[in-house]
Amino acid sequence: DVKVTQSSRYLVKRTGEKVFLECVQDMDHENMFWYRQDPGLGLRLIYFSYDVKMKEKGDIPEGYSVSREKKERFSLILESASTNQTSMYLCASSSSLNQPQHFGDGTRLSIL
Amino acid sequence: QKEVEQNSGPLSVPEGAIASLNCTYSDRGSQSFFWYRQYSGKSPELIMFIYSNGDKEDGRFTAQLNKASQYVSLLIRDSQPSDSATYLCAVIGTSYGKLTFGQGTILTVHP
Repeated sequence: DVKVTQSSRYLVKRTGEKVFLECVQDMDHENMFWYRQDPGLGLRLIYFSYDVKMKEKGDIPEGYSVSREKKERFSLILESASTNQTSMYLCASSSSLNQPQHFGDGTRLSIL
Repeated sequence: QKEVEQNSGPLSVPEGAIASLNCTYSDRGSQSFFWYRQYSGKSPELIMFIYSNGDKEDGRFTAQLNKASQYVSLLIRDSQPSDSATYLCAVIGTSYGKLTFGQGTILTVHP
C-alpha cells in the first residue's frame, strides 16, 4: 500500500511565523501535491511537483512556496503565516500524472 | 459552470439500499475519473477509478462513465452505516495532472 506521511496532525503557529509542513512518500512516486481543504471551498491545489527540484503552481499558490530536494519528500512553506491560512493541508502523491493520487492524513494548521 | 459538479445532497438511504452518487464535468477532453471517500476529520481515501466508458465494479461499488454525456456516477450496493461519509468526485482534465474535485456529496446510511 502507498504510504504518504505528513509530519504533524495538528499545528498551531502565530501570524508572521515561517511554517514548514513536511510530507514523505514511500512508493517512489514521481509526482507530489499539496492541497488545502476549507468548508464550502473544497479541495484546492496549492503546488505540485513532477520531479525532484521541479515545481508547478496550482490554483492558489500565493503566500506559499515548496521545496523538493529528494524524490520522496515534498515540503510546503508558509513564508509569513496569516490567519487566512488556517486550514486542513493535505499532501498527495501519484506514480504518473493521470494515475490516482494517494493522500496523507492531513495537517490541521491553526494560525493565531 | 463549475468544472466538476456533484449532486448536492445530503443523500440519505436506508441500510441495504443502493446509494447513487452523480457527477458531471465540463472539460470534454478529460480522461481520468476518481471517486474518493472522506470521513469527517479524515483525509480522502481512493475507492474507485475509471478511464473507459462503461461500468467498473469492485465489490459493492460500481463506477459508471459516459464521456459523451460528461457524466460519471458511483453506485454503492447493500449500503452500510459505515458507508456514511462525504464522497468526492475528481477528474483529471486536459490540464495534464491537475486533479479537480467536486464539492462532495454527504451520504448518510441509516439503520
